[in-house]
Amino acid sequence: DTGVSQDPRHKITKRGQNVTFRCDPISEHNRLYWYRQTLGQGPEFLTYFQNEAQLEKSRLLSDRFSAERPKGSFSTLEIQRTEQGDSAMYLCASSPSSTYEQYFGPGTRLTVT
Amino acid sequence: GENVEQHPSTLSVQEGDSAVIKCTYSDSASNYFPWYKQELGKRPQLIIDIRSNVGEKKDQRIAVTLNKTAKHFSLHITETQPEDSAVYFCAAKRDDKIIFGKGTRLHILP
Repeated sequence: DTGVSQDPRHKITKRGQNVTFRCDPISEHNRLYWYRQTLGQGPEFLTYFQNEAQLEKSRLLSDRFSAERPKGSFSTLEIQRTEQGDSAMYLCASSPSSTYEQYFGPGTRLTVT
Repeated sequence: GENVEQHPSTLSVQEGDSAVIKCTYSDSASNYFPWYKQELGKRPQLIIDIRSNVGEKKDQRIAVTLNKTAKHFSLHITETQPEDSAVYFCAAKRDDKIIFGKGTRLHILP
């Protein structure tokens, strides 16, 4: 499968715990995006990388959220001290810099109990 | 920042009829407008897109129109089929950030 992959697909955690998600983009894509999607809403932009550089972060991204892409390939999104409001689908997308299209991964569904 | 409004939120059409979904955007600097289809429990999939230097684009039963002056764009699906049932999202892109509408749930009635 040469598409965007995400791991895990589902995560249930207790409030206050830390969680980390991984995204593997399409191999030749140097741009990587993180979105959050709640029920009945469109994806909301969180942050994006060009290679290993994090170029923009949304105001939605509180200090409890951090993302990395250390080698310009896969990326991780960590949420510290999770809250019930963090429950959502976290989507990753990638794009080659030469085009505009973004291709989404299957998402990680987070449930905070 | 950019704001994308999408209407209607729900749309039911008879199989074989046409469906139209409309979106408006606020930032005149947005230059790329993709449409995504999302089936229940699945990832959003790009179905068609249009750039700001083009007024219309068609791909088989799907077409998108863009009116830059009015800052609105529309998705047209003709000869609808049961497999067209899904949530459709419009979006607008400026620089490297894509802003999505809230989605339209399309039901194709038998």
